[in-house]
Amino acid sequence: RKEVEQDPGPFNVPEGATVAFNCTYSNSASQSFFWYRQDCRKEPKLLMSVYSSGNEDGRFTAQLNRASQYISLLIRDSKLSDSATYLCVVNSVSNYQLIWGAGTKLIIKP
Amino acid sequence: DTEVTQTPKHLVMGMTNKKSLKCEQHMGHRAMYWYKQKAKKPPELMFVYSYEKLSINESVPSRFSPECPNSSLLNLHLHALQPEDSALYLCASSQQGLAKNIQYFGAGTRLSVL
Repeated sequence: RKEVEQDPGPFNVPEGATVAFNCTYSNSASQSFFWYRQDCRKEPKLLMSVYSSGNEDGRFTAQLNRASQYISLLIRDSKLSDSATYLCVVNSVSNYQLIWGAGTKLIIKP
Repeated sequence: DTEVTQTPKHLVMGMTNKKSLKCEQHMGHRAMYWYKQKAKKPPELMFVYSYEKLSINESVPSRFSPECPNSSLLNLHLHALQPEDSALYLCASSQQGLAKNIQYFGAGTRLSVL
């Protein structure tokens, strides 16, 4: 089993729709969780850190489910500019490294 | 200002060349990272410097040689690379070398080895 798993997609979603991604992780001792966004041929950029209580930033909501070892990202009222690859990132056992998921590609269509 | 600057943006080199990639940050971060990213894959960690000391080397071939001249600068020296080393090389920095610290990425150097 991979340490961090994501559905690679692509998710083809009409503009204005709500889309959700899940990401599962294998290390139950993980403490740090992030969603990064990467546009084609660009660097990854932090979208959100994910906290135990869940957090929201505008149209984006991140949730953590420790019992089932997954994190989720919900995008409401999707925009064309949300098209990107979304990378789930979790800290390693040693707590000094990040483990990256393979990414989920999202395509928003007009 | 969360800026990490990498130069050059693009680099084409032959297998016998020696070149260097440069990375600079002025956020006072004490951890800096080199990643390699191939198309449609996530970034792969190569090296971590924490407080200017090499703390992690992910079994990277010796043709890649990192250097941290000071807390703001990180170099990656390249020598005798192979065509399969062609990739996007990303530099990142974080406050400290702990996984809970957010990593900020530079725009990367797109390397082609001929």
